[in-house]
Amino acid sequence: EAGVVQSPRYKIIEKKQPVAFWCNPISGHNTLYWYLQNLGQGPELLIRYENEEAVDDSQLPKDRFSAERLKGVDSTLKIQPAELGDSAVYLCASSLGGQGNHEQYFGPGTRLTVT
Amino acid sequence: AQSVTQLGSHVSVSEGALVLLRCNYSSSVPPYLFWYVQYPNQGLQLLLKYTSAATLVKGINGFEAEFKKSETSFHLTKPSAHMSDAAEYFCAVSEKAGKSTFGDGTTLTVKP
Repeated sequence: EAGVVQSPRYKIIEKKQPVAFWCNPISGHNTLYWYLQNLGQGPELLIRYENEEAVDDSQLPKDRFSAERLKGVDSTLKIQPAELGDSAVYLCASSLGGQGNHEQYFGPGTRLTVT
Repeated sequence: AQSVTQLGSHVSVSEGALVLLRCNYSSSVPPYLFWYVQYPNQGLQLLLKYTSAATLVKGINGFEAEFKKSETSFHLTKPSAHMSDAAEYFCAVSEKAGKSTFGDGTTLTVKP
């Protein structure tokens, strides 16, 4: 069974440029998460989807960040314009969803460097 | 509100020694608890999970954790460290499906 797939793995951009990250979750997983992970810290939730609906986006900086999961499968996270402080690892995770299905499966992440 | 505290951002042990990584949580309801491991340049991988069935939980790679409600703890242990255990370990708490909070992680170093 394929795991969570993310691309690109690494991205270097100049500040004020746009950037997009793509995630394909495990087949059959209804819940999809985007996390931000700074060096030496745990993942921090940016947005959570249940199928195609964003059910928790309270931590997403909506002035510059956007996300979509149009068909309830793969998802894209976008930053426009990027700032120096956005340099971090962006992790995507998925889970089955529903009562009792709490464990999450993570992709390898995209390491973003903003110069 | 749920929260996680991992005591000790860095732990160093000798190969063959006991590994003990500490995690304390705060939760208003009986929680689900998890330990994840992260190797360099990789995502997080589930080590083990507590879901109220048994207080002592066994995971992969010889790790286990014990849920102690009175101490609000979920410490991770392994009797004998191996060089391949060197990684970063994250404790996480979940009160309901889809909402997890992660600790800041503990970096485990294993000395030969």
